[in-house]
Amino acid sequence: LAKTTQPISMDSYEGQEVNITCSHNNIATNDYITWYQQFPSQGPRFIIQGYKTKVTNEVASLFIPADRKSSTLSLPRVSLSDTAVYYCLVGESGYSTLTFGKGTMLLVSP
Amino acid sequence: DAGVTQSPTHLIKTRGQQVTLRCSPKSGHDTVSWYQQALGQGPQFIFQYYEEEERQRGNFPDRFSGHQFPNYSSELNVNALLLGDSALYLCASSRIDQPQHFGDGTRLSIL
Repeated sequence: LAKTTQPISMDSYEGQEVNITCSHNNIATNDYITWYQQFPSQGPRFIIQGYKTKVTNEVASLFIPADRKSSTLSLPRVSLSDTAVYYCLVGESGYSTLTFGKGTMLLVSP
Repeated sequence: DAGVTQSPTHLIKTRGQQVTLRCSPKSGHDTVSWYQQALGQGPQFIFQYYEEEERQRGNFPDRFSGHQFPNYSSELNVNALLLGDSALYLCASSRIDQPQHFGDGTRLSIL
């Protein structure tokens, strides 16, 4: 399973764009990149998943360079409610076992 | 469309007891995975069930066992509870080529 490296914590202010970068040097050909968000005492929430280039949905964008050794989760105009832990994972979609690291604790201040 | 539901939400047990946690997958999902999350840590994979059989298993002792029913729901059983088993137990469901979706977990406290 490919290992991921992401910052332990990040700080931001309301209304700013936040970019969280994840390194995954040993990503396999069949691996997707998936990001989850987790609030205290809740289960992780799926944010976005991608394989290459750029993926965008209603809450975030995911940028993946051609070599796929890293990825960047972009959260536009964050609010206080975006304060959470964000996990980057790589693996085959669907049935793969998910290997979580410690994630990135994002703190959004007023 | 109901997501993944888990019961109970909280549970208190004493050392040596056994516990059963339950999970109903998201509609249309056929695979259930269980994770243990200790305070301040990321979730750790316990095992995965597909077609009523254990398909993959993480590094957990045999005290942890599970079951999947024909309707795809699942149970996690833990025997001979230890203080270190105190954690948030998460269930995730999925189907092929789709990301896993998590429930909000069962908070298990061992006294």
